[in-house]
Order: sequence, then C-alpha cells, then structure tokens
Amino acid sequence: ELKVEQNPLFLSMQEGKNYTIYCNYSTTSDRLYWYRQDPGKSLESLFVLLSNGAVKQEGRLMASLDTKARLSTLHITAAVHDLSATYFCAVDPLTGGTSYGKLTFGQGTILTVHP
Amino acid sequence: DTEVTQTPKHLVMGMTNKKSLKCEQHMGHRAMYWYKQKAKKPPELMFVYSYEKLSINESVPSRFSPECPNSSLLNLHLHALQPEDSALYLCASSHQGAGNTIYFGEGSWLTVV
Repeated sequence: ELKVEQNPLFLSMQEGKNYTIYCNYSTTSDRLYWYRQDPGKSLESLFVLLSNGAVKQEGRLMASLDTKARLSTLHITAAVHDLSATYFCAVDPLTGGTSYGKLTFGQGTILTVHP
Repeated sequence: DTEVTQTPKHLVMGMTNKKSLKCEQHMGHRAMYWYKQKAKKPPELMFVYSYEKLSINESVPSRFSPECPNSSLLNLHLHALQPEDSALYLCASSHQGAGNTIYFGEGSWLTVV
C-alpha cells in the first residue's frame, strides 16, 4: 500500500522567514503533485513534478523531486501572510509501468504565516 | 479556461433520499475523477473514468454510483447514504496520460441527516 507522509503537519512561520515542507512516499513513482487548499475551498494545483531532479518555482514557492530518495520538498522563501493555507503533496504511482492519475495524498501541512 | 464546475455547492439529504452530484468540464479532458474529503483530512480517490469508461473503483460502497454520460459530464448518484458519508466531494479532470495537471472543482458539501 502506498504511503505518503508529509512533515511537518503544522508550521507556524514569521513573515520573511524561509522554511521547507517534506514529502516522503513509499513506492516507485516519478509523478508528484503539490496542491494548496484554503479553508472551505477546493484544491489549487501548484506544481507537477515529472522526473528525477525536477525543480519548479513559482513566486515564493519552489518544489523539487528526488525519485531515488522518494522525496519531494516544497521550499518557501520570505513567507508572506497570503501563503497561509494547507499544502498537500500527492503521488501518482506507477502500476505496470503506467500511471492512471490515481493520486494518494499526504496528510497535509497547515501553514500559518504571522506578521 | 481551467475550470471544473460542480453542482450543487451544498446538499443536505436524508438517509432514504436519492440525490445526484454533477460535474462538468469543457477542457477536452478525457480523464475524470471523484474524490471524497472528510474534514481536516486529505482527499481520497473514489472513482476514475477514462474515455467515459470506469477504470478505477476504489472499493466504494454501492450506495455511491458514478456515471459518465459523455466526455464533459460526470455524475455521482447517491442513495441510502449514512451520516458518516457527510464530506466534501471533489470532482477533478485531466488530459489522459501520466503527469498532466489534475484540476479540481470547488466541490459539493454533502451533509447526510
């Protein structure tokens, strides 16, 4: 059974600081997704990482993927209040060498950015 | 336009009712999904449709019945639900093939009384 584990689960940051959220997964995959969810809202796609060593950046967020270590990171640079949300990573495992868009999500990291 | 539209936004139903959740996308996506999200938990996959055929059913109870009438529409028919089925039901879609962005709708909040 695929397990996807995020840490930390709760992150309280000061504005202007940097931090990293980690996502470990337990099976072979080279498809890793990051989503943001605001309270009471749906999931907003942030990044799709498709290969070992992939790195993508958007604004203050940067995501990377190491398929050998089965690890993805979401790095936050100079946090601002607007980044407060829950962040999920999700893994699309390979089955027989094929992926089906069958996402398994991590538990989510609740990020709160304080002034 | 990267929009997945779900209706209704909120639904309250009794345990003996029959209701349906609807999902629509006009992005030409051929893969569509239903996920269930309980409060403060991650989404969990229920069903995957690929080219209008059910390709994955994650052992969901038969009181949930999906239907894909055409490539743009996905329904979830609900019957004889239990209070523990109360959750946010999310529809999603993507282009067929691995690694494509999966877009989620705003969700339907379901309360079973």
